[in-house]
Amino acid sequence: AQSVTQLDSQVPVFEEAPVELRCNYSSSVSVYLFWYVQYPNQGLQLLLKYLSGSTLVKGINGFEAEFNKSQTSFHLRKPSVHISDTAEYFCAVIKPGGTSYGKLTFGQGTILTVHP
Amino acid sequence: DAGVTQSPTHLIKTRGQQVTLRCSPKSGHDTVSWYQQALGQGPQFIFQYYEEEERQRGNFPDRFSGHQFPNYSSELNVNALLLGDSALYLCASGTGGAYEKLFFGSGTQLSVL
Repeated sequence: AQSVTQLDSQVPVFEEAPVELRCNYSSSVSVYLFWYVQYPNQGLQLLLKYLSGSTLVKGINGFEAEFNKSQTSFHLRKPSVHISDTAEYFCAVIKPGGTSYGKLTFGQGTILTVHP
Repeated sequence: DAGVTQSPTHLIKTRGQQVTLRCSPKSGHDTVSWYQQALGQGPQFIFQYYEEEERQRGNFPDRFSGHQFPNYSSELNVNALLLGDSALYLCASGTGGAYEKLFFGSGTQLSVL
């Protein structure tokens, strides 16, 4: 089974400052990794994903994440945040395979609050 | 093109009642997954439907059941509601095993009193 730990439940930051949201995972098999964002009263939106290849993954809205297999981490970063980035962010993993499609295991979420 | 639509958006039930939640997948999608998101928690996988069959199931009791129709829409049924079933229920649709095509609806907020 897989599990995901998001190390910070809340991250406050000032506008235009850099931010890192931390995610560690546990799995006995190789996994795919994802970051999703959830704005109030909305569903989850995919920010970026790591399936294979380059360990540095770029996503939408200027976010990027780095896969570190040895540390089993997939931290999300943005060099300069905006007020509109205020939302809850979820790290997720999935075991590759046809029947596993759509069966994501999520962390508990990190609430990012950007202050002016 | 409408995305994943869920109905109703909000629902209030009492303990012991039964509830049905509905999900219409994005056009062209054939796979539907359901998740439960309790307050302050990440979503938890309930089950997934493809070709009108339950393909995968998470760690949820048999009180949680579902159905997928020929038009790929889906229902989630919960019997004998408990207070702990209060949560946001999310539906996700996708196709072809393409993760960039896995889209989530805005959810149904279920309150059990």
